[in-house]
Amino acid sequence: EDKVVQSPLSLVVHEGDTVTLNCSYEVTNFRSLLWYKQEKKAPTFLFMLTSSGIEKKSGRLSSILDKKELFSILNITATQTGDSAIYLCAVDHNTNAGKSTFGDGTTLTVKP
Amino acid sequence: DVKVTQSSRYLVKRTGEKVFLECVQDMDHENMFWYRQDPGLGLRLIYFSYDVKMKEKGDIPEGYSVSREKKERFSLILESASTNQTSMYLCASSPRDGRGHNEQFFGPGTRLTVL
Repeated sequence: EDKVVQSPLSLVVHEGDTVTLNCSYEVTNFRSLLWYKQEKKAPTFLFMLTSSGIEKKSGRLSSILDKKELFSILNITATQTGDSAIYLCAVDHNTNAGKSTFGDGTTLTVKP
Repeated sequence: DVKVTQSSRYLVKRTGEKVFLECVQDMDHENMFWYRQDPGLGLRLIYFSYDVKMKEKGDIPEGYSVSREKKERFSLILESASTNQTSMYLCASSPRDGRGHNEQFFGPGTRLTVL
């Protein structure tokens, strides 16, 4: 059975802190791993990772994939209250249907 | 600007009613998905479709059906709503051949309450 596990499930930090969110997976037909951010409504895309060891970066957010150990991390430096959200990790399967398996998400709360 | 729209943001129905949730995308995507999201359970896939009139069961299809008569529209049907179907329902779409872009684009969600 395909499985994506995120940790921690929730996290409370103060502005300026650095956080690391974890995602491990066991899936068949791996194509890519994706990170999404969900605030009040729909998830929005952050990163897609397909190769090990290549860091993807966008501002204060960065992510990396380890296909040997089957995990990914999402780092957020100098957190701000606007980073408060649910962060979802998903593994995209190598099928034409484009099916993804999602983890349960990490709820990040950044306090002023 | 790419867009996935859902017919209702909030919906209240009674047990036993038939419920239709509509999703429309304007990106000419082949793949469309219906998820439900409950606290602590992440996104769970109900059904997905990779072409017109094609559908596949996801992880939790029981109590639901779907219809895809046109490429841009994917409908989720609750034949006889029950209280345990109270949830947030999210529709998403993605291109078939992502050419390196496999992300799904999500609609704003429909919060369904079944009384």
